[in-house]
Amino acid sequence: EAGVAQSPRYKIIEKRQSVAFWCNPISGHATLYWYQQILGQGPKLLIQFQNNGVVDDSQLPKDRFSAERLKGVDSTLKIQPAKLEDSAVYLCASSLGVADVTFFGQGTRLTVV
Amino acid sequence: KQEVTQIPAALSVPEGENLVLNCSFTDSAIYNLQWFRQDPGKGLTSLLLIQSSQREQTSGRLNASLDKSSGRSTLYIAASQPGDSATYLCAVNTGFQKLVFGTGTRLLVSP
Repeated sequence: EAGVAQSPRYKIIEKRQSVAFWCNPISGHATLYWYQQILGQGPKLLIQFQNNGVVDDSQLPKDRFSAERLKGVDSTLKIQPAKLEDSAVYLCASSLGVADVTFFGQGTRLTVV
Repeated sequence: KQEVTQIPAALSVPEGENLVLNCSFTDSAIYNLQWFRQDPGKGLTSLLLIQSSQREQTSGRLNASLDKSSGRSTLYIAASQPGDSATYLCAVNTGFQKLVFGTGTRLLVSP
């Protein structure tokens, strides 16, 4: 079974630039998540989708972050404009149901300079 | 607001030792708890998932326990190996699969 796919693996941008990350979850997984992991900390949920609807985006900085999951399959997370404090690993994850194991992708390491 | 704490933050042991990692959470109203492993520069790999109605789960040399009423979980690793070196994260499912993570325990097993 293929895992959660993310791209790119690494990205370096200057502050105030924009960046986009892509995620393809495990086939059949209705729930998709984007997490932000700052160095030395545990992942923090940014947004959760159930199919193509948003379940929770309470911790998403909506003035600069946006995410979509068109057709309920793959998803993109965008940051515009980026700030230095956005430097982190962005992890995409998916799960089959609300009580099931969550599978994570390899992550995208973003450095904002 | 659910808060998850992991102790110790770092642990260094010689190969072969049995060890225990601790996780505590402030709100006992959880659906389940997962233990994950994270290798440097990699994503998270789920090790064990304990439903709220369960007391423990075992997989190979790993055993995880859950005491929901006291807000605690432990991950027991038997006969540790250098390949076990990684960061171990626990996460509680607060509902609708929303995971709240601890900051992790960084484990180093030396040969």
